[in-house]
Amino acid sequence: EAQVTQNPRYLITVTGKKLTVTCSQNMNHEYMSWYRQDPGLGLRQIYYSMNVEVTDKGDVPEGYKVSRKEKRNFPLILESPSPNQTSLYFCASSFGQGQGNTEAFFGQGTRLTVV
Amino acid sequence: GENVEQHPSTLSVQEGDSAVIKCTYSDSASNYFPWYKQELGKGPQLIIDIRSNVGEKKDQRIAVTLNKTAKHFSLHITETQPEDSAVYFCAATLSFKAAGNKLTFGGGTRVLVKP
Repeated sequence: EAQVTQNPRYLITVTGKKLTVTCSQNMNHEYMSWYRQDPGLGLRQIYYSMNVEVTDKGDVPEGYKVSRKEKRNFPLILESPSPNQTSLYFCASSFGQGQGNTEAFFGQGTRLTVV
Repeated sequence: GENVEQHPSTLSVQEGDSAVIKCTYSDSASNYFPWYKQELGKGPQLIIDIRSNVGEKKDQRIAVTLNKTAKHFSLHITETQPEDSAVYFCAATLSFKAAGNKLTFGGGTRVLVKP
């Protein structure tokens, strides 16, 4: 089954404790991205990756890091989480530029609470 | 960059009535406009999309219209059913450009279909 898998689904952590949210896709997509969803703000892009070892900032990258060592995996790293990073996070993947199909597939989401 | 505004933020309709959600975008170069449906506890899922060379597209009970001159597009759901209750997001993107498939989302519309 084609899917994007995020883990964990729920996470409560304390300020300053490093954490990683994993994301994996099995569709051989080149393009992957992370979004955060906040009430009334829709989904805002944090970081994206156009292919292995190619990453770039989205609209709200402060406080986040990503890596793309393999095509299927795109983890989101919070080195020192703060309460304003409490949010619902989504990983998404799609075919790359010029592929014709721009549909983005989303994971189930990770609800993060930083206390 | 692109900015997408979506209205209304909440919409309550009687089962069987129609629902309309409107979005405006700022970048006239945007050429792909998808709509996503997010059910409770799940990630957004593509339900319909439209490209800038088309004015209208239908898929059973849902339709999308695009007015490039006015830079707005709308989602129409006819004969609403309880399973249409969800949060709907519009998005716009400059597909096939160097930035890849970055989606800029509207703020979302929570639709409630009352039986």
